[in-house]
Amino acid sequence: GNSVTQMEGPVTLSEEAFLTINCTYTATGYPSLFWYVQYPGEGLQLLLKATKADDKGSNKGFEATYRKETTSFHLEKGSVQVSDSAVYFCALMVSGGYNKLIFGAGTRLAVHP
Amino acid sequence: GAGVSQSPSNKVTEKGKDVELRCDPISGHTALYWYRQSLGQGLEFLIYFQGNSAPDKSGLPSDRFSAERTGGSVSTLTIQRTQQEDSAVYLCASSLAQRGEETQYFGPGTRLLVL
Repeated sequence: GNSVTQMEGPVTLSEEAFLTINCTYTATGYPSLFWYVQYPGEGLQLLLKATKADDKGSNKGFEATYRKETTSFHLEKGSVQVSDSAVYFCALMVSGGYNKLIFGAGTRLAVHP
Repeated sequence: GAGVSQSPSNKVTEKGKDVELRCDPISGHTALYWYRQSLGQGLEFLIYFQGNSAPDKSGLPSDRFSAERTGGSVSTLTIQRTQQEDSAVYLCASSLAQRGEETQYFGPGTRLLVL
């Protein structure tokens, strides 16, 4: 079946530290991959996406590369800010499966000054 | 408005009562999805609409849950005879559902508490 596995949180970092949140997936077919972010008290927002192998999604300093050989889509940021504190969700969408999203469990990030 | 809206934002109900949750998708989005976010289960898909029809209801957890969509726009999720395990945040999302533009945009959610 289709599934997403994320590293467990919480992840606690100091401001300006390097961030990696691991995400691996299992899927039939050729999924599109997404990172969504949920800031405290707010709804889910799309952070970035990649629709095919070797694509790199990027937004707000975050990046993730679709690696088919390792079935991974790790989220990275070179220098985090306090405002990046949120819960990050990795998700996949398999075309032909009515495009429903299958989410990982989410990783809470806390950035301290 | 420009985004997906949901109402109510919060709902407290007693066990055994029925509740209705509403979703207004982004104008022009033909696809609409309901998800549930709960502590124990994370984010789960419930149901998908394309226009007014629901080709995928596979995520509805029981026959107490139903949803409809009218006019290809507003959708209502109904939970009958609510149970405490129904407590969760119910999220709605919409998308253009066109090849190359399948991104789903989420509403703020309805937080349901069943006492």
